[in-house]
Amino acid sequence: KQEVTQIPAALSVPEGENLVLNCSFTDSAIYNLQWFRQDPGKGLTSLLLIQSSQREQTSGRLNASLDKSSGRSTLYIAASQPGDSATYLCAVLSITQGGSEKLVFGKGTKLTVNP
Amino acid sequence: DTAVSQTPKYLVTQMGNDKSIKCEQNLGHDTMYWYKQDSKKFLKIMFSYNNKELIINETVPNRFSPKSPDKAHLNLHINSLELGDSAVYFCASSQRISGGTDTQYFGPGTRLTVL
Repeated sequence: KQEVTQIPAALSVPEGENLVLNCSFTDSAIYNLQWFRQDPGKGLTSLLLIQSSQREQTSGRLNASLDKSSGRSTLYIAASQPGDSATYLCAVLSITQGGSEKLVFGKGTKLTVNP
Repeated sequence: DTAVSQTPKYLVTQMGNDKSIKCEQNLGHDTMYWYKQDSKKFLKIMFSYNNKELIINETVPNRFSPKSPDKAHLNLHINSLELGDSAVYFCASSQRISGGTDTQYFGPGTRLTVL
């Protein structure tokens, strides 16, 4: 059974700092790994999607890496801003017993960037 | 133009009642999902439909019945509501069962409170 763990559960940093969020998963049989952002009272917004054959993806100040063999991913945020404050969710697209695919989420890292 | 919309945004009801949550996507996607986010913020898949066909049913109680009248809609009906059903329910869609190339787009969520 796929399990996704995110560390730390919460993180508070001063504006401008570079930071790393960690994600680990137990079953390396995945199609992809995705990072989402969730703002309070809102839905999820996809930030980055790394396919299982890829090692990393970049979008602006965000860089996500994937090491499938060790079951790890990191999300690097450069020059953090107060607007980055949100909960960041890691999810892996796993294969179900019936042969379909489903997203399995971690519990998230709540990030606060202080001005 | 909202890509994935849900109604209502908030739903407060008594134990034992029956309620429905509606979801619509205007992205032309083939696949739609329902997720439940509990009080600990843990997000877990409940159902997925592909072209109106049920693909995933994650051991959800029979009181929960999804209905897909067409490809753009996936409604969730809940019978005999229980206190433990209180959560935020998210609808999502993706272009297809893709083997990892397509991300999922999430609605804003419906906060259900059972009294």
